[in-house]
Amino acid sequence: QVQLQESGPGLVKPSGTLSLTCSVSNDSIDTSNWWSWVRQPPGKGLEWIGEIYHSGVTNYNPSLKSRVTMSADKSKNQFSLRLTSLTAADTAVYYCARVVVVLTTSGFMDVWGKGTTVTVSS
Amino acid sequence: SYELTQPPSVSVSPRQTASITCSGETLENKYICWYQQKPGHSPVLVIYQDDKRPSGTPERFSGSKSGNTASLTISGTQAMDEADYYCQAWDSSTVVFGGGTRLTVL
Repeated sequence: QVQLQESGPGLVKPSGTLSLTCSVSNDSIDTSNWWSWVRQPPGKGLEWIGEIYHSGVTNYNPSLKSRVTMSADKSKNQFSLRLTSLTAADTAVYYCARVVVVLTTSGFMDVWGKGTTVTVSS
Repeated sequence: SYELTQPPSVSVSPRQTASITCSGETLENKYICWYQQKPGHSPVLVIYQDDKRPSGTPERFSGSKSGNTASLTISGTQAMDEADYYCQAWDSSTVVFGGGTRLTVL
């Protein structure tokens, strides 16, 4: 079955930059699906960060847009997240997910990675 | 910005019916999906496009929508259904999650 696996540092310093990668198995990112990042601060709800299409087209959460960059590498079947100017508020579990698009204006996340914990601390 | 509102908590007795609501402006014009998340685990899709069940979602889970309120209903609730539930919709090419509802099976 399709599997997604997040990877990246577990600890990053304030004001630094977070870089995470999601590796996709048993599916190709070069399809009609989009690929998304979602995070969850400790004890809180889900927050959508953004999504990317294999062509490089992106949509970002307006509240994070100034600090977020996503990219896709079809040759490695991976997509990545870069988040800058980190603060303690960015401490969270970060998930990647596959997005199935419906009618071009809607969709749902049918496959999720197990998540990776990122702590922002000096 | 667009918001989806869920009750923070719902309690239900085993074998009874649980209902979790999700409300938002113009929700009648949007598709809703629902995720179940158990402690320490990733979210799992249980309902998509308002009322469709992915393969693997038990039949006791159903989704519906009336006006600007969507509902997730669990019939014959089991102890294993105790979890956090999140609704999700799209608005202007952005994803919005509800705040989540903790379902407790007493």
